[in-house]
Amino acid sequence: QKEVEQNSGPLSVPEGAIASLNCTYSDRVSQSFFWYRQYSGKSPELIMSIYSNGDKEDGRFTAQLNKASQYVSLLIRDSQPSDSATYLCAVDLSGGYNKLIFGAGTRLAVHP
Amino acid sequence: NAGVTQTPKFQVLKTGQSMTLQCAQDMNHNSMYWYRQDPGMGLRLIYYSASEGTTDKGEVPNGYNVSRLNKREFSLRLESAAPSQTSVYFCASSEHRDYGYTFGSGTRLTVV
Repeated sequence: QKEVEQNSGPLSVPEGAIASLNCTYSDRVSQSFFWYRQYSGKSPELIMSIYSNGDKEDGRFTAQLNKASQYVSLLIRDSQPSDSATYLCAVDLSGGYNKLIFGAGTRLAVHP
Repeated sequence: NAGVTQTPKFQVLKTGQSMTLQCAQDMNHNSMYWYRQDPGMGLRLIYYSASEGTTDKGEVPNGYNVSRLNKREFSLRLESAAPSQTSVYFCASSEHRDYGYTFGSGTRLTVV
């Protein structure tokens, strides 16, 4: 079993819809969780971080964390074609030593 | 505002050749990392440096060496390149475990 798992996609949503991206992880002691966006041929860029159970909102993005279920998700409201990218889930599985393990990413395609 | 600078951006090596990938950050971050990214496998940690003067192995260290030259610079060396090392290499730095990573623009390496 991989330590951080994501559905590879592609996840295709119409413009204006909500895109829901999911991630599961293997270690119950994980404390820090991140979502990165990566456009084709570019480097990953941080879009959200979450540390506590529940929801965290930032503009059109909402991260959701459920530590009991070892599950973290990212919701993108009012999806735009410019949101089309690969979204990487990253988890600190090193017990707080700031060493991130990345999922393989979910490719999101937002069509007009 | 350079952030994390990687050189070179592209490189083609012949099997058995050696090379050093350079990385420098100007954000005064303590931690620095080298990842490789292959299709379908996400980002995998090669080596990391939690602070100046320290380095440690990640998930896939075989065939690589690193040097943390000072707080700003963290280099990755391939002593005898192999086709299996064809990949995109990303350097990253981090201020604190709660803040995520800042990535460089990447080095696309092909070993023939």
